Amino acid sequence: QKEVEQNSGPLSVPEGAIASLNCTYSDRGSQSFFWYRQYSGKSPELIMSIYSNGDKEDGRFTAQLNKASQYVSLLIRDSQPSDSATYLCAVSGGSNYKLTFGKGTLLTVNP
Amino acid sequence: EAQVTQNPRYLITVTGKKLTVTCSQNMNHEYMSWYRQDPGLGLRQIYYSMNVEVTDKGDVPEGYKVSRKEKRNFPLILESPSPNQTSLYFCASSGRGEQYFGPGTRLTVT
Repeated sequence: QKEVEQNSGPLSVPEGAIASLNCTYSDRGSQSFFWYRQYSGKSPELIMSIYSNGDKEDGRFTAQLNKASQYVSLLIRDSQPSDSATYLCAVSGGSNYKLTFGKGTLLTVNP
Repeated sequence: EAQVTQNPRYLITVTGKKLTVTCSQNMNHEYMSWYRQDPGLGLRQIYYSMNVEVTDKGDVPEGYKVSRKEKRNFPLILESPSPNQTSLYFCASSGRGEQYFGPGTRLTVT
């Protein structure tokens, strides 16, 4: 059974700080990694994808992947109250595009 | 606008009354999928379709059916809904691995 683990939180940070969200996965054959943001009662929204080891930056978001450690993270710089949401880590292993999701980390950014 | 649409958005029904939740995408994606989301259990895949006429079970397929007769549509069918199928349902589509989700359907079965 492929597993994706995240701290459930809540993770609370002050406005302007860096929020760090972590995810580990069990399947060494995983090839694609995604971070989704989900506001309460809304659908998941794709914010980052990463496919190779290292860092990928997009605006205030940086995804980091370490396949040897089976670890993927998301950094949010200059956190804003509007970043308050649940962040879902998702992992895909093969050509069938099947995504396995973690249960999400609730982030609260305090003004 | 590229999007995935679902209907209805909210549905309250009774045990045993057949229902269909529609899903449509306008991005010409081959891959479509259905998920349910429950508190404490996260998102779980119900069924997926790699392309027209090809569907396969996900992690929690019991009690559900799907069909894929056209590329853009992927309806979810509950032939005899039960209270344990009360959940928030999402349809998603993908062109190259990145999945995009519809707005969700909140289903309550009494």
